[in-house]
Order: sequence, then structure tokens, then C-alpha cells
Amino acid sequence: DAGVIQSPRHEVTEMGQEVTLRCKPISGHNSLFWYRQTMMRGLELLIYFNNNVPIDDSGMPEDRFSAKMPNASFSTLKIQPSEPRDSAVYFCASKRTSAYTDTQYFGPGTRLTVL
Amino acid sequence: KQEVTQIPAALSVPEGENLVLNCSFTDSAIYNLQWFRQDPGKGLTSLLLIQSSQREQTSGRLNASLDKSSGRSTLYIAASQPGDSATYLCAVRPGGGADGLTFGKGTHLIIQP
Repeated sequence: DAGVIQSPRHEVTEMGQEVTLRCKPISGHNSLFWYRQTMMRGLELLIYFNNNVPIDDSGMPEDRFSAKMPNASFSTLKIQPSEPRDSAVYFCASKRTSAYTDTQYFGPGTRLTVL
Repeated sequence: KQEVTQIPAALSVPEGENLVLNCSFTDSAIYNLQWFRQDPGKGLTSLLLIQSSQREQTSGRLNASLDKSSGRSTLYIAASQPGDSATYLCAVRPGGGADGLTFGKGTHLIIQP
């Protein structure tokens, strides 16, 4: 079974541009998470969805960030406009809600550089 | 707000040694605690998950313990190997139904051949 798929793997853009990161969760998983990793702050939760519904977006830094999950197999994280301080590695993770397991499976990440 | 701290931030030991990585958290109302491994340029891989009602979990050469009341967990690695070199991250899931994880900043481990 394929793991969590993220695209692109690397993105370099200029300040002010719109950036869209994409994630395909593992088939059959019903929870999806977006995290951001920086040297200064480590890994931080941005937002998560259960059954395609956003549950907690308190980690989204500001209105420039938005996330959608139009169906069970696809999610996007959009930054508009982007700023240099948004440079980080963005991870998507998914899991199946179950009484027997709670493990989140992470994608390889998207390394974003905003110049 | 939950805070997770990992000590040490970095560790370098010769191959074959047993070692302990430490994790502490400020709010003991957790649902579970997980240890992850992160290799350079890659995502995270789950190693062990301990439910709040459990004291420890074992997988091969890895053993994780949890003392919820004191807000501490340890990851014990037996007979370390160069392939164990990676960053090890501790993460807690809060109680009360919330689902996102709060991570420590990790311990960067180097096993010298």
C-alpha cells in the first residue's frame, strides 16, 4: 500500500506568491493532519480533519493560511501571499480512527523556501 | 498549553552502547505518548505508542516507558547500531478528545561505528 503522498517535494517561490501544497492520505484513513517543522519551533500542528471536516485549525498561523479537504483522498494547504518566514518543511499525516491503533503515518514532507 | 521537552538535544555514542533518551511534558492529561524516528530529508516513522493507562511498550531493541503522573517518558535503545543514527521525537496526544500531536524538538542521535 502506498504511504502518504505529498507534492511537490520542494518548492521555491518569491515573497507574495501563492503556494499550494498537496497531500493524498493513505486509502481508508479518515483523519488527516498538517504539520510544519522549523529549526526554531520544531514540529507544530497546523490543522486536522476528521472525515473531511476541519476539526481544529487553531495552529494555523494567520489568515494567509488555508486548508481544504474536498474528499477523503485529497487535501491542500494554501499560503497566500507567502512570506519568507513561511519557509519550513510541511508534513501531512493520516491515520485510521480505531480503538486498536492511533498511529499517525507521515508523508515525506514539502520543503518550502520563500525568497 | 502542553509543552514537550527532550533531553539531550544531541547525543553521540560508540556502537554497542545502551542509551536512554528522555522526554518530559507539562500537562499529565494525555491520551497517549508516541516516539518517532526521523531520518534526514524524510518523514517521521512511528516507533512505539504508549497509551495513558500503560507503563511501557517494547519493540525489538527499543523499550519506551511512561510515568504519566510525573510527566516523563524514556526511550531505551539496547545495543546501539550505526543504523540507529537519526533524530528521535517524542509526541503527546492530549486527553479530552483532541487529536493533534504536540512534539518535542527531538534528540539528534549519532552512533559511531
